[in-house]
Amino acid sequence: GENVEQHPSTLSVQEGDSAVIKCTYSDSASNYFPWYKQELGKRPQLIIDIRSNVGEKKDQRIAVTLNKTAKHFSLHITETQPEDSAVYFCAASTGQAGTALIFGKGTTLSVSS
Amino acid sequence: GAVVSQHPSRVICKSGTSVKIECRSLDFQATTMFWYRQFPKQSLMLMATSNEGSKATYEQGVEKDKFLINHASLTLSTLTVTSAHPEDSSFYICSAKVTGGGEKLFFGSGTQLSVL
Repeated sequence: GENVEQHPSTLSVQEGDSAVIKCTYSDSASNYFPWYKQELGKRPQLIIDIRSNVGEKKDQRIAVTLNKTAKHFSLHITETQPEDSAVYFCAASTGQAGTALIFGKGTTLSVSS
Repeated sequence: GAVVSQHPSRVICKSGTSVKIECRSLDFQATTMFWYRQFPKQSLMLMATSNEGSKATYEQGVEKDKFLINHASLTLSTLTVTSAHPEDSSFYICSAKVTGGGEKLFFGSGTQLSVL
């Protein structure tokens, strides 16, 4: 089955700096790669996703890149703000009906002002 | 986006009792729902895939007789933790895909289970 590795487990940056979180996946059939942000005790919120037919996607300060050949994808957050502090999870799935997302272990991002 | 409602949000029970958690898709039909478990500061671990009108598919290591899943309609799936023990204390969270609506997964608000 799919296995998703995520690094780093913790990341501390200064406000205004950029943050990069990296993930690798094992199943070459995976074609859908979302990123979720989770605040303590709350549900994960989808912040951006990318499909395998796209190499990069951007939404304001957030961008995701995908390298299918290397089976890795990354989340880039620019101009970080204290409210970006949370746990971020990457995930992967084959996108087929009835298949679940498999999550990475998460990255705790701390943005200090 | 689609709304998934999960109840209760928090439950405290005595060891040996059973607890039922409900997951409802409020404004869409969900042929498939997924149940995840999350320990403090850890990732979301898939427990089982719940299919409307059929038996759930459990992940390796998840006891199907302990975690009973029922998906009786296109908008409701329930997870019952039977004979709960302290080691079952965790954050349980359901999720659903919109039937025919693509890959996006929408999450319930989660249930924090504490077994004394």
